[in-house]
Amino acid sequence: GAGVSQSPSNKVTEKGKDVELRCDPISGHTALYWYRQSLGQGLEFLIYFQGNSAPDKSGLPSDRFSAERTGGSVSTLTIQRTQQEDSAVYLCASSRGGLRDEQFFGPGTRLTVL
Amino acid sequence: QKEVEQDPGPLSVPEGAIVSLNCTYSNSAFQYFMWYRQYSRKGPELLMYTYSSGNKEDGRFTAQVDKSSKYISLFIRDSQPSDSATYLCAMRNSGGSNYKLTFGKGTLLTVNP
Repeated sequence: GAGVSQSPSNKVTEKGKDVELRCDPISGHTALYWYRQSLGQGLEFLIYFQGNSAPDKSGLPSDRFSAERTGGSVSTLTIQRTQQEDSAVYLCASSRGGLRDEQFFGPGTRLTVL
Repeated sequence: QKEVEQDPGPLSVPEGAIVSLNCTYSNSAFQYFMWYRQYSRKGPELLMYTYSSGNKEDGRFTAQVDKSSKYISLFIRDSQPSDSATYLCAMRNSGGSNYKLTFGKGTLLTVNP
């Protein structure tokens, strides 16, 4: 079946603009995650959604970052007033949930803030 | 000190070599250990998943966990050019926010034909 998809694959924006990144998880996966991969920093957890539970937003780096998940499926990560340090690859993953479940990653959105 | 340390390399080996990739960690709450492979401009894909000390083998890949030393390894036998990628170790704990993966920075591997 189809894997996790993300759009756009690349996004170039100017400092101060808002951006929206989209994630379509694997059908039937109840858990959805956002990570950020910066040069030299590895993958950092941003936010976690599980079913109808309140999301774990503990990894969001500032209040300029927010995310929502509509209907338990598609998720949007929004970055307001982008800064150059926001330039990174934003990866989305989904899983069935559970302690030993596997997180399946999308291809990522490469964000460049000029 | 970061929770997970991984030598970023780069590591360059000839085809057929045995490759050893390693991570150390400081958080004793980590109980589940993973190795992901990430090709350029792609998302990570899971290679190995272990939750106990010892070895786990899958084809040319062997994952090794030593919880007493807080050290994990991935061995690749008979390495192929198609193994050229970045290898990421990842860990999670067994309680609380156990869904969070903590990653190493990744090791860039090149296998030369």
